[in-house]
Amino acid sequence: DTAVSQTPKYLVTQMGNDKSIKCEQNLGHDTMYWYKQDSKKFLKIMFSYNNKELIINETVPNRFSPKSPDKAHLNLHINSLELGDSAVYFCASSQFLGQTGELFFGEGSRLTVL
Amino acid sequence: DAKTTQPTSMDCAEGRAANLPCNHSTISGNEYVYWYRQIHSQGPQYIIHGLKNNETNEMASLIITEDRKSSTLILPHATLRDTAVYYCIVRTGANNLFFGTGTRLTVIP
Repeated sequence: DTAVSQTPKYLVTQMGNDKSIKCEQNLGHDTMYWYKQDSKKFLKIMFSYNNKELIINETVPNRFSPKSPDKAHLNLHINSLELGDSAVYFCASSQFLGQTGELFFGEGSRLTVL
Repeated sequence: DAKTTQPTSMDCAEGRAANLPCNHSTISGNEYVYWYRQIHSQGPQYIIHGLKNNETNEMASLIITEDRKSSTLILPHATLRDTAVYYCIVRTGANNLFFGTGTRLTVIP
């Protein structure tokens, strides 16, 4: 079983559209994240949720809205897509109180905005 | 969080040890050193972490200098599958790790 799974793996869409990426983890972790990796390969955190509550919200346009229906799921909804949103989006999970430093990442969702 | 400095790229012959350095001269006493790697088109993968003692697991060894201002990740017998970008991260907790540009390791047959 995949520990952290994201869907879809590839997403091609037009500017101005609204799209969602789903993430699920079956590790029993209580913290989930969204990271963005741009064309220059920098990996930057966008959001972090602990037990369905937002704990980290980096400087991300409010067109991006994460939603956590339960602690095993963290979905990313993006409104009014722009060319600059093209990137690979990674979901991750961890135990919040742990000091192991181990984040488990999904395989990524490559978003292309035309 | 302390900033880290890593070489942009390194090569290593297959079967030899790969030694990846990382400088973190501004590290504070409660900050851990973490290493992750990202194989092409995959999500980052945790390798190892440590505070001040050297650490070893099934994937690698982590050597931290006594003053904790630098560390070295050692892959004892590099294989072609170890070709990846390796990230050294210094952080107080397990969460919200910030990834820099990393070292691109190429294992050569």
